[in-house]
Amino acid sequence: NAGVMQNPRHLVRRRGQEARLRCSPMKGHSHVYWYRQLPEEGLKFMVYLQKENIIDESGMPKERFSAEFPKEGPSILRIQQVVRGDSAAYFCASSPGTRTNEQFFGPGTRLTVL
Amino acid sequence: GQQVMQIPQYQHVQEGEDFTTYCNSSTTLSNIQWYKQRPGGHPVFLIQLVKSGEVKKQKRLTFQFGEAKKNSSLHITATQTTDVGTYFCAGPRSGATNKLIFGTGTLLAVQP
Repeated sequence: NAGVMQNPRHLVRRRGQEARLRCSPMKGHSHVYWYRQLPEEGLKFMVYLQKENIIDESGMPKERFSAEFPKEGPSILRIQQVVRGDSAAYFCASSPGTRTNEQFFGPGTRLTVL
Repeated sequence: GQQVMQIPQYQHVQEGEDFTTYCNSSTTLSNIQWYKQRPGGHPVFLIQLVKSGEVKKQKRLTFQFGEAKKNSSLHITATQTTDVGTYFCAGPRSGATNKLIFGTGTLLAVQP
């Protein structure tokens, strides 16, 4: 049973480019969460999605950031016109959505903005 | 807003010494979870506590949930180099059980 998959594992972008981060949840999981982690810091919640729905995006910046979880395919976190401050590790986690809300994390995407 | 704090931020121990990290929430939690993140790795779920005063053990790790369900602790007995990493507690956001608020984390360094 494959775990949460994220790609790419490392992504380098120049300022002003777009970054697309992909996350495939564990089989049978319909809940996806995105977190951002700056070096030496904790996990900051960004957005919570279920299939075709954004449940909570309160942690996501209003501009340049968007997320989706389509009916088919992986969840996508999209960052437009990246800036140096966007450099961070972005983790995706999934859960089955039952009362036990344990989250399973992917290996993360390390984004570096030059 | 709701906050989850951990102390200490960093702890350096000699191998074989004990280690404890404390987690404090600004609100009552329905449950508390603990995760471990190795350097360069991703968070891995360790355990979930639900009941007031609950204590659970995993080999050398002992987890406790406070009576008021606002604090928790993780104690490691006789640390080993494999225990190195950052330990995070996490609790559900008030009114949103599927969304977790992560603590600030405690980085444990173990010197052989």
